[in-house]
Amino acid sequence: EPEVTQTPSHQVTQMGQEVILRCVPISNHLYFYWYRQILGQKVEFLVSFYNNEISEKSEIFDDQFSVERPDGSNFTLKIRSTKLEDSAMYFCASSVLAGGLGETQYFGPGTRLLVL
Amino acid sequence: SQKIEQNSEALNIQEGKTATLTCNYTNYSPAYLQWYRQDPGRGPVFLLLIRENEKEKRKERLKVTFDTTLKQSLFHITASQPADSATYLCALARDDKIIFGKGTRLHILP
Repeated sequence: EPEVTQTPSHQVTQMGQEVILRCVPISNHLYFYWYRQILGQKVEFLVSFYNNEISEKSEIFDDQFSVERPDGSNFTLKIRSTKLEDSAMYFCASSVLAGGLGETQYFGPGTRLLVL
Repeated sequence: SQKIEQNSEALNIQEGKTATLTCNYTNYSPAYLQWYRQDPGRGPVFLLLIRENEKEKRKERLKVTFDTTLKQSLFHITASQPADSATYLCALARDDKIIFGKGTRLHILP
């Protein structure tokens, strides 16, 4: 069964460094998402992406964050200058249609980011 | 502001009984409500979706109800098994955004 994959599974970085988290969505999906989950807290929406542009973003997704689909398969989340509070599990998800249409989102296994 | 509350952080249920989880929301008019399962260290896994014009949805041992007047959804697992132990997340969808509740940790006791 097709699945969303994410790399790396774990990333440790120093505060102020840039990190890029990578995702390979399911191949025939058109909508892509990033979520984060701080340890012990709820899954929080960051951004949705469709047709090579951001379709919606949350207040968490400030200028330090950016997303890109550099080729036909990868979907990346970049954090320009990491802060301690960026430490969290980051999940990528994809769906055939828009999540707001009730379409099932398929989540990757996550990247655990630790900022020191 | 929009708020989703799931009835309890943790719920212990005896194996074989029905587990009922509650999701309440305020300041939101979702078109859809979804339930996900999340195991420790893993991503959420979709279980069921119910639309705003539907009252009830079933899938095997799972049942979801949606009351837009009460702004509440109930999630039932019948004939519960220890393998059903996980965190269950309620999620609301409208436009292109999904908002998750904090989840309820369900423990099925053998």
